[in-house]
Amino acid sequence: GAGVSQSPSNKVTEKGKDVELRCDPISGHTALYWYRQSLGQGLEFLIYFQGNSAPDKSGLPSDRFSAERTGGSVSTLTIQRTQQEDSAVYLCASSLVAAYGYTFGSGTRLTVV
Amino acid sequence: KNEVEQSPQNLTAQEGEFITINCSYSVGISALHWLQQHPGGGIVSLFMLSSGKKKHGRLIATINIQEKHSSLHITASHPRDSAVYICAVRKGDADKLIFGTGTRLQVFP
Repeated sequence: GAGVSQSPSNKVTEKGKDVELRCDPISGHTALYWYRQSLGQGLEFLIYFQGNSAPDKSGLPSDRFSAERTGGSVSTLTIQRTQQEDSAVYLCASSLVAAYGYTFGSGTRLTVV
Repeated sequence: KNEVEQSPQNLTAQEGEFITINCSYSVGISALHWLQQHPGGGIVSLFMLSSGKKKHGRLIATINIQEKHSSLHITASHPRDSAVYICAVRKGDADKLIFGTGTRLQVFP
C-alpha cells in the first residue's frame, strides 16, 4: 500500500479482555517496529521485526504483550488480560532499510476501562 | 537521565515568529530524526540527519555531531505548524529509535 496502515484506529476494551492490533506495512519494507505512547509520555520501543531474523522483543513491558509478523508483511500486536495502564496510542512504523528512514502509521488509540 | 532530551517542552508563538526547538543526546548515533505529530496522533517524518543541515520549505534542521546537539527551526511560523515535534535518534548500529519527550508548539494567529 501507499502507507503504513493500522487498525483499528480506536479501541475501547474492558479490563481483563484480550486485544489485537494490526499493522500493514509498506509493501517491500522488511523492517517493522511497534512503539507505544502513553498519555503525556514520549514514545517507547516495544518490538522490532527485521526480515526472517528473530524479533527484538526487548521493549515489551510484560509477558502479556506479544507480536507476530506473518509472511514478512502484516503484524499483529496482542495484549492479553488488558490493564488500565495499557491505555496508550500504539504506533507501527516500517522501513526498507533503517538508514533510509521510517514511515509511521496513524496509530491505534487503546483505552482500557 | 534520558538519552535524548528536548527543550523547550512547550512553546507558544505568534504567527510569523521564528521558532527553534533543541535536541541533545548522550549516546553515539548513526542518524537523528525530527518527527511531527499532529493531535490525531499520526507521525510524519520531517528530516533524517547524520551531519550538517537540511532544509525543506520553512523548516531547517541542523546537527552538530561533536556537541551531540540538533536544532529544528521554523521560519515564518503559521498556526498549521502547531503540533508536537519529536527528536529521535538511531543509536549506533541499532535500527530502533530512541525518542525525546517532544516539544508541544502552538502558533497563534
